[in-house]
Amino acid sequence: EPEVTQTPSHQVTQMGQEVILRCVPISNHLYFYWYRQILGQKVEFLVSFYNNEISEKSEIFDDQFSVERPDGSNFTLKIRSTKLEDSAMYFCASSDRRTGVNEKLFFGSGTQLSVL
Amino acid sequence: AQSVAQPEDQVNVAEGNPLTVKCTYSVSGNPYLFWYVQYPNRGLQFLLKYITGDNLVKGSYGFEAEFNKSQTSFHLKKPSALVSDSALYFCAVRDQNAGNMLTFGGGTRLMVKP
Repeated sequence: EPEVTQTPSHQVTQMGQEVILRCVPISNHLYFYWYRQILGQKVEFLVSFYNNEISEKSEIFDDQFSVERPDGSNFTLKIRSTKLEDSAMYFCASSDRRTGVNEKLFFGSGTQLSVL
Repeated sequence: AQSVAQPEDQVNVAEGNPLTVKCTYSVSGNPYLFWYVQYPNRGLQFLLKYITGDNLVKGSYGFEAEFNKSQTSFHLKKPSALVSDSALYFCAVRDQNAGNMLTFGGGTRLMVKP
């Protein structure tokens, strides 16, 4: 079965630094997502992306966050100035249709971000 | 607003016995409901979904779930557990009329012992 791949698997950074988390969604998928899971807490929606623009975002996704699809294969999440509370596992996901419209999300294995 | 509750942090069951992982939800409209499973060092994998129709839905690996509108529940079940079913299970909901954001429960760790 095709997979969503995420790199790196672990990222350690200093508070205030910029990080870019990378994802390669499944090739024929059109909808892209970022979710995160703080240790011991729920998986939380961050943002969805379709047709080269953000289609929906949560309250977590503030001005420090941005997403981009720089080419035909990669989907990135950038955090401009990391805070301690950004430490979490970040999951990328993709689907070929809008969530819930008889379609499912395919998730990557995640990037564990540790902000020191 | 939409929310999901998984009241059990962990469920322990002996191999061969039936298992149930509980999930209740809250949405203002009609729900789309999902179960995902997470194995160690892997991403979430889709198990099954309820969109409409038959309240009992069947999914991967012999799992099934029953949608109960009056109890706002979507419990995950399997008639006979395997040790390899041991993993973290997440219930998720999306309101049909509320964009494309999935709301996940906190997860339930299933431990199947030989």
